[in-house]
Amino acid sequence: KNQVEQSPQSLIILEGKNCTLQCNYTVSPFSNLRWYKQDTGRGPVSLTIMTFSENTKSNGRYTATLDADTKQSSLHITASQLSDSASYICVVIGAGGTSYGKLTFGQGTILTVHP
Amino acid sequence: DAGVTQSPTHLIKTRGQQVTLRCSPKSGHDTVSWYQQALGQGPQFIFQYYEEEERQRGNFPDRFSGHQFPNYSSELNVNALLLGDSALYLCASSKDRSSYNSPLHFGNGTRLTVT
Repeated sequence: KNQVEQSPQSLIILEGKNCTLQCNYTVSPFSNLRWYKQDTGRGPVSLTIMTFSENTKSNGRYTATLDADTKQSSLHITASQLSDSASYICVVIGAGGTSYGKLTFGQGTILTVHP
Repeated sequence: DAGVTQSPTHLIKTRGQQVTLRCSPKSGHDTVSWYQQALGQGPQFIFQYYEEEERQRGNFPDRFSGHQFPNYSSELNVNALLLGDSALYLCASSKDRSSYNSPLHFGNGTRLTVT
């Protein structure tokens, strides 16, 4: 069964600090991996999209990395702001067989940034 | 440019009832997908519509059905509601159905509570 596991489940940091969120997946083969930010009561918003051949992708203070060999991805947030408080969801899109084009979502990491 | 819009934003139903949720995709998008997101969990794929036909389906019972109209808008119908159907229902649209490189744009969801 294709799975996407995220860690930690939740994280509390102080404003201005950096943090790193982890995503491990078993979806194989896959075409791309995405990170989404979901504010409470809102729909997810795309942060980064990486194909299987990319190692890193940045979007402002957000930097995603991908290691396709170990099937791991991370999202690094620098100089955190209060507005970064949200759930961060890792999504993997399958590329073959019955998983073709299907999105598998992780359960999300809830980040809370305190002043 | 309007993004993905969903209605209603909140809904309370009783067990056994039927419900219809509505979604208008982002301008220029022709593919609509529906997701169920339980509290504290990542979204689960329900189905995808393209050219007014269901193209892909996740592991949801036949009580969940949908429709896509010629203007690309979509409805999600759930019959014989169960308490476990209580969730945030998200609609996402994209420009093509493959999901390979096409960013997904999510609406803010409909919060369904079944009592």
